[in-house]
Amino acid sequence: EAGVVQSPRYKIIEKKQPVAFWCNPISGHNTLYWYRQNLGQGPELLIRYENEEAVDDSQLPKDRFSAERLKGVDSTLKIQPAELGDSAVYLCASSPQGVGETQYFGPGTRLLVL
Amino acid sequence: SQQGEEDPQALSIQEGENATMNCSYKTSINNLQWYRQNSGRGLVHLILIRSNEREKHSGRLRVTLDTSKKSSSLLITASRAADTASYFCATDTGRRALTFGSGTRLQVQP
Repeated sequence: EAGVVQSPRYKIIEKKQPVAFWCNPISGHNTLYWYRQNLGQGPELLIRYENEEAVDDSQLPKDRFSAERLKGVDSTLKIQPAELGDSAVYLCASSPQGVGETQYFGPGTRLLVL
Repeated sequence: SQQGEEDPQALSIQEGENATMNCSYKTSINNLQWYRQNSGRGLVHLILIRSNEREKHSGRLRVTLDTSKKSSSLLITASRAADTASYFCATDTGRRALTFGSGTRLQVQP
């Protein structure tokens, strides 16, 4: 069974530039999560999808961050414009259905904003 | 905000020794999970313990949960160099997605 796929693995951009991350969850997993992980810290939730609906985006900085999950499968997370403080690892995870279950993580995208 | 907090922040042991790391949390939970993260990689699920369970085993892993103290511990027996990683506890309160602690960085010296 293929795991969660993320791309790109690494991204270096200058501040004020846009950037996008892509995630393909495990087939059949209805729930998709985007987390941000700062150096030396645990992941912090940005947004959670149940199928194509964003059911928890309270921690997403909506002035510059946006996300979509078209057709309830793949998802894209975008930052525009990026700031220095956005440098972090962006993790995508999926679970079969609902909160509280085991989550399966992708390898993450390491973003460096210069 | 982070619900779970691991202790110690860092741990260095010799191969073959046991490693114990602890997690404390603040609010009532449905379950508590432990994850491992190797450097530069995503998190891998290790074990899930439900609020009505007190102890659970998986291979060389032993997890305990004390809901009265709002704490959990992860024991890795007979550690190996390959166990070198960061270990995170994550709590499920049933209201949101998992909330992760800041992790324990384990170094196993060969």
